[in-house]
Amino acid sequence: GENVEQHPSTLSVQEGDSAVIKCTYSDSASNYFPWYKQELGKRPQLIIDIRSNVGEKKDQRIAVTLNKTAKHFSLHITETQPEDSAVYFCAASIRGADGLTFGKGTHLIIQP
Amino acid sequence: EPEVTQTPSHQVTQMGQEVILRCVPISNHLYFYWYRQILGQKVEFLVSFYNNEISEKSEIFDDQFSVERPDGSNFTLKIRSTKLEDSAMYFCASAASGANVLTFGAGSRLTVL
Repeated sequence: GENVEQHPSTLSVQEGDSAVIKCTYSDSASNYFPWYKQELGKRPQLIIDIRSNVGEKKDQRIAVTLNKTAKHFSLHITETQPEDSAVYFCAASIRGADGLTFGKGTHLIIQP
Repeated sequence: EPEVTQTPSHQVTQMGQEVILRCVPISNHLYFYWYRQILGQKVEFLVSFYNNEISEKSEIFDDQFSVERPDGSNFTLKIRSTKLEDSAMYFCASAASGANVLTFGAGSRLTVL
């Protein structure tokens, strides 16, 4: 089955700086890669996703890049703000929302 | 904005007891899922459900687990005989189609004593 590795487990950045979280996946058939943000004690919420026919997608301060050859994808957050502090999970699936495999999460800490 | 609703928000039970967690998916969604998250760990897929049957399940979803859609709105997860290691947050999620994004509920925290 699919295996998703996510790094780093904890990331601390100064407010205003950029943050990058990286994930690798094992199943070359995976074609859907969402990123979820989970604030303490709350539900995971989709913040951005990318499908395998696209190499990069951007939504304001958030961007995701996908390298299918290397089987890795990354989340980029620019101009970080205190409300960006949360745990971020990457995920991969070969069938869209079906059977998502999640990474272990990255605890992003924004230092004031 | 439509939401996935889950009840109860927190349930405490004794080991060996049966537990039923309830979910009301978004009304026009056709695909339903259960995930669990042990405290401080990643979200893990349990089961997906479509057209009144299980479409996929993980190795975590063993014989002590079952799902049901008893009516047109509810989607339930039953744990027959709870173990200590079943303590986790259980998230229900739904999607309009298999290719669409998941919307998660707020979760049901299960504590097994």
